Amino acid sequence: SQQGEEDPQALSIQEGENATMNCSYKTSINNLQWYRQNSGRGLVHLILIRSNEREKHSGRLRVTLDTSKKSSSLLITASRAADTASYFCALDFYGNNRLAFGKGNQVVVIP
Amino acid sequence: DTAVSQTPKYLVTQMGNDKSIKCEQNLGHDTMYWYKQDSKKFLKIMFSYNNKELIINETVPNRFSPKSPDKAHLNLHINSLELGDSAVYFCASSPRTSGAYNEQFFGPGTRLTVL
Repeated sequence: SQQGEEDPQALSIQEGENATMNCSYKTSINNLQWYRQNSGRGLVHLILIRSNEREKHSGRLRVTLDTSKKSSSLLITASRAADTASYFCALDFYGNNRLAFGKGNQVVVIP
Repeated sequence: DTAVSQTPKYLVTQMGNDKSIKCEQNLGHDTMYWYKQDSKKFLKIMFSYNNKELIINETVPNRFSPKSPDKAHLNLHINSLELGDSAVYFCASSPRTSGAYNEQFFGPGTRLTVL
C-alpha cells in the first residue's frame, strides 16, 4: 500500500544537537508534509513541500525533497527538550484524495 | 477558540456496547476525516467527508458509521464494540482533499478502551 517509510524509527539526541529523519516513498506525489505528535496529543502540521520544490524552511525546521530519489528529510536544528515527539511524514499521492501517513519517528531530546 | 474539538477525550466501555464520538471544526474547512491510531502509533484513515458527502470509506467494519450533519461536524458511531476497537481515534479537517493547501488539522483524540 502507499505510505511513507521513515527512518530512523527512533532517535535519541542531546539538547542543542541537530536531528535528521528521512522519509522515502514509491510513487509520484503532489506534496509531502511533516507532522509532529507530542505524547497524548493530536498531530500538528509542521511544513508542506510541493513536488516542484526542493527545500523549505520554517524556524528551526528544514525540509528537503528529492523527487528523483523519492525521499525527503526533516532537519531540526539546535534541538530542545520540547522537540521530544513523534514525527510523521504524510504523502499526498495524485488522485488519492487523502494523506498516507508513515509509521513515525520517535525523537527524544535529552536535556 | 479550539480549531478541531472532539468529545469525549476518554471512553471506557464494555464489549458489545454502542458508543459515539463527536467532532467539530470551526476552521470553515470543507473536508473532515476520522483516523484510528493503534498502539504502535500507526495512523489509519477510516472515513473522509467533503461538504457532508462521504468520499473515503476504507475497509472498516460496518459497525462503524460516520455521520456529518453539516460541514463543521463529523460524528462517529460504533455499534457492538469489540476488544480490537481499543485505540485512539482522531478527527481532522482540511481546506481541500488534495493538492496545495490540504494540510490537516487534528483534534486532540479520543482514547477508547473496550473491556
